[in-house]
Amino acid sequence: DSGVTQTPKHLITATGQRVTLRCSPRSGDLSVYWYQQSLDQGLQFLIQYYNGEERAKGNILERFSAQQFPDLHSELNLSSLELGDSALYFCASSARTGDNSPLHFGNGTRLTVT
Amino acid sequence: GNSVTQMEGPVTLSEEAFLTINCTYTATGYPSLFWYVQYPGEGLQLLLKATKADDKGSNKGFEATYRKETTSFHLEKGSVQVSDSAVYFCALRKNSGYALNFGKGTSLLVTP
Repeated sequence: DSGVTQTPKHLITATGQRVTLRCSPRSGDLSVYWYQQSLDQGLQFLIQYYNGEERAKGNILERFSAQQFPDLHSELNLSSLELGDSALYFCASSARTGDNSPLHFGNGTRLTVT
Repeated sequence: GNSVTQMEGPVTLSEEAFLTINCTYTATGYPSLFWYVQYPGEGLQLLLKATKADDKGSNKGFEATYRKETTSFHLEKGSVQVSDSAVYFCALRKNSGYALNFGKGTSLLVTP
């Protein structure tokens, strides 16, 4: 058990809809990362937050947004969903910036857009 | 930009065979290198890491050596087990505290 909790485990929704994915990092971890895993693109980094502030952006679409709350949990919002957004979305956390602490991954949220 | 290239799978081996999964990287400077493993239905788990040239990471019988001259970080294990069946990801981190760039993953199936 990595200590990173993601909810829900599965999500099925229709095109054009909006969903929110939730992540609780390991206790004490300040950094949260979101990744998208699909068969054709592999693991793509979306966005990173550190202690409530956006720290780095990867290949995140404008239709997607995220935030990290004062209690350090994070949410990834996906809107105007398209079939191609169907993927496994992972959250990871690490202790702090400035060191090389490893990323700890949750078990992911599987999103299916129909 | 920074990128990682892994050998394509799937790789199928018999139990007790020798395993090599190739990984090469492109990056400026001195990235840290990682191998992660993903078992079915689970998230990625750190397998091993190396933070500077010539470092060898090792864990659970797996090893990888950071070779700057060949920009490689190949994963090896002398004798694989059925329980090693999983997807293996090579990754680099350009700067401490930032996100990892992953390769596409290599699926390994070990048969009895």
